[in-house]
Amino acid sequence: DIQMTQSPSSLSESVGDRVTITCRASQSISSHLNWYQQKPGKAPKLLIYAASSLQSGVPSRFSGSGSGTDFTLTISSLQPEDFATYYCQQSYSTLYTFGQGTKLEIK
Amino acid sequence: EVQLVESGGGLVQPGRSLRLSCAASGFTFDDYAMHWVRQAPGKGLEWVSTISWNSGSIYYADSVKGRFTISRDNAKNSLYLQMNSLRAEDTALYYCAKDILLIAATGTCLDYWGQGTLVTVSS
Repeated sequence: DIQMTQSPSSLSESVGDRVTITCRASQSISSHLNWYQQKPGKAPKLLIYAASSLQSGVPSRFSGSGSGTDFTLTISSLQPEDFATYYCQQSYSTLYTFGQGTKLEIK
Repeated sequence: EVQLVESGGGLVQPGRSLRLSCAASGFTFDDYAMHWVRQAPGKGLEWVSTISWNSGSIYYADSVKGRFTISRDNAKNSLYLQMNSLRAEDTALYYCAKDILLIAATGTCLDYWGQGTLVTVSS
């Protein structure tokens, strides 16, 4: 199975900061990487698919990049509603796997 | 509006069975593959299983293979997960999620999720 590793596991940032979260795959997955946001008590929400395509309705301050094994999710200017847990997911293999999550907290 | 509503969770003893259901509305159910994803309390997301639009392709995580069975009834717009030989480590919130494609394929993603149903395995 393909293993997905996110870093950091948690981070504390301030409103207005630029934030980058990293996801690394155990083997090349081309650009088959998705990002989800989950707020406490809520279902996950698709943010970015195919590594860099923004899901409809998602603010443009979110962006994704990468290919092969290394990927990043960037939030250009943190808003209060962005404090949540973020997960990457590979869709290269049909045994879809998620990263362990990155919890973004308010500093 | 796409809606996915899970049901069937509850408290069950180790070794027993439980069947989860997911009622779908707001989209043409038999045009899409569907998934189950779970989340243990305080933990991350774990993909569990996927079924294609016509049940022709089915996939399971190693952790549930041989114990869980995914199925769907397109006439009833419903997805199911039969869970047998339940273990304490199966305790989780189980989400039903919609794929963007007909089949489980490279490059897909999960664009809509239900609110989940909680399964607790304990004696």
